[in-house]
Amino acid sequence: SAVISQKPSRDICQRGTSLTIQCQVDSQVTMMFWYRQQPGQSLTLIATANQGSEATYESGFVIDKFPISRPNLTFSTLTVSNMSPEDSSIYLCSVGGREGTYNEQFFGPGTRLTVL
Amino acid sequence: AQSVAQPEDQVNVAEGNPLTVKCTYSVSGNPYLFWYVQYPNRGLQFLLKYITGDNLVKGSYGFEAEFNKSQTSFHLKKPSALVSDSALYFCAYSGYALNFGKGTSLLVTP
Repeated sequence: SAVISQKPSRDICQRGTSLTIQCQVDSQVTMMFWYRQQPGQSLTLIATANQGSEATYESGFVIDKFPISRPNLTFSTLTVSNMSPEDSSIYLCSVGGREGTYNEQFFGPGTRLTVL
Repeated sequence: AQSVAQPEDQVNVAEGNPLTVKCTYSVSGNPYLFWYVQYPNRGLQFLLKYITGDNLVKGSYGFEAEFNKSQTSFHLKKPSALVSDSALYFCAYSGYALNFGKGTSLLVTP
């Protein structure tokens, strides 16, 4: 398993500002994922953070709104840009246990974002 | 489109009784299916997975799940529920990454 930490754990932000969320893993991993969990909803994949290349975004999510960095194999950031109240969600970082789609993913504790 | 469905928003069960949280899947080929649990103010925790082999999968905290290909189901079960099992449960399938059902809130009452 992997131990994943996220910063900040929660934040309250003003409309129009941006917030960068950090994800740190205790071991080197190839694939890191960012999910969003809106209030009372399930988890939705935002993007896959690839080391050394551009992130891969899911339908409905764009780089201008959610820029992602992946400078090395243990760290990634997700920025929520030009925030609106609709961005109020829990944002979760996740990593794959091992290569292959049949292996479980491990999740960070999440960042609870409230936009006023 | 591939998906998993959790038909119940909430399941209520008395402590000590068996519990079932339902999940059905629509996934082509051999599905890789997972159950996760989310406790309040805590991250998502892996419970168990089905990859291949034995249709009855045992996982953490006394939970198990039965893969049923004919009914395209992967229901989560526990023989005797605890109050501490009260949480949000997610069924998921693995494609490029995990894809989750909408979640089922389990409430176990004393």
